[in-house]
Amino acid sequence: AQKVTQAQTEISVVEKEDVTLDCVYETRDTTYYLFWYKQPPSGELVFLIRRNSFDEQNEISGRYSWNFQKSTSSFNFTITASQVVDSAVYFCALSDNSGNTPLVFGKGTRLSVIA
Amino acid sequence: EAGVAQSPRYKIIEKRQSVAFWCNPISGHATLYWYQQILGQGPKLLIQFQNNGVVDDSQLPKDRFSAERLKGVDSTLKIQPAKLEDSAVYLCASSFGGAGNIQYFGAGTRLSVL
Repeated sequence: AQKVTQAQTEISVVEKEDVTLDCVYETRDTTYYLFWYKQPPSGELVFLIRRNSFDEQNEISGRYSWNFQKSTSSFNFTITASQVVDSAVYFCALSDNSGNTPLVFGKGTRLSVIA
Repeated sequence: EAGVAQSPRYKIIEKRQSVAFWCNPISGHATLYWYQQILGQGPKLLIQFQNNGVVDDSQLPKDRFSAERLKGVDSTLKIQPAKLEDSAVYLCASSFGGAGNIQYFGAGTRLSVL
């Protein structure tokens, strides 16, 4: 069975600090997909990034970066120079390669960025 | 491009009453999902449609929950009768389908059962 663990329940940082959100996953599949979503107070889940299991190249997009390591089954997310608008709940999610499966979400990490 | 539309945004009902939620997916998206998100948890799938057919409803409490997707576009999720533990946010998502497809979510309906 697939499982996603986000051990950090809540994180508070001061504006402009860097913050890393951890995600550890479990799957028996050799091909799978990993996602990060952001849920601001408005409630809508906003897609941030998708990675497939064959692409371990880490990526930087603006202030966001992602570190995918198959050896440790981790898919961590870093925000550089955090801003108050980054305050939200962040979810890591996993899906298999069948094309007809839902996302399996972690419990989320609530990030509070304090001005 | 319009996103996933859901209504209502909020609903408060008494236990044992019935309630219905509506979802309009992104145009052209064949796959539609209903998730339940209990406070402090990640979303969990209730039912998945491919066009107007059910792909997965294994997590749907069928004694009280029902869902349909007529004509493969809009979908309705119904709870009858509601229980206190049904208090949650009900999220609708849609995608083109296929492996690793990106799911796009609506703002959800927050249900409070008193």
